[in-house]
Amino acid sequence: EAQVTQNPRYLITVTGKKLTVTCSQNMNHEYMSWYRQDPGLGLRQIYYSMNVEVTDKGDVPEGYKVSRKEKRNFPLILESPSPNQTSLYFCASSPISGGPSGHEQFFGPGTRLTVL
Amino acid sequence: SQQGEEDPQALSIQEGENATMNCSYKTSINNLQWYRQNSGRGLVHLILIRSNEREKHSGRLRVTLDTSKKSSSLLITASRAADTASYFCATDFPTGANNLFFGTGTRLTVIP
Repeated sequence: EAQVTQNPRYLITVTGKKLTVTCSQNMNHEYMSWYRQDPGLGLRQIYYSMNVEVTDKGDVPEGYKVSRKEKRNFPLILESPSPNQTSLYFCASSPISGGPSGHEQFFGPGTRLTVL
Repeated sequence: SQQGEEDPQALSIQEGENATMNCSYKTSINNLQWYRQNSGRGLVHLILIRSNEREKHSGRLRVTLDTSKKSSSLLITASRAADTASYFCATDFPTGANNLFFGTGTRLTVIP
């Protein structure tokens, strides 16, 4: 089944404890992206990647890192999480390296992160 | 911000009625997409309309685009309880085509 998977789905952690949220897609998509969703603010893009070893900042990149060593994986790293990073996180992918312009994005199921 | 704005924020209708949601944006776009999100889950793509198109249909969905007013509407006809979800518009722009900008969403409740 074609899908985007994220792990973990739920995570409660404490301030300052490094964590990684994994994202994997099995559709051979070139473009991948991370969003966070907060009440009243909609989805905001954190980082995106147009292909392997090519990443760039979105609207709200502060406090996050990403890597794209393989086409299928795009992990999101929080080196020192803070309470303001408590949010619902989504990974997404699109089939074209030019990005989601004119193409649908496929979303993962989400990771609900709470930072105490 | 280049984010779109949906209107209304919340909408409650009876099953069988039509539901209309609107999206407004600020600058010229390449394309506009509509997505659906069931509570706490991932977004699912519904329909894409290009800037040179005025109307598009997919099953019970009808999307219109008015680039002169910088607005789009999503109409769901003969609504069902299963249509209960949040609906988001997402736009991409001639510059920055690597990004989609999502609105804040309309929460639709269809009462059986």
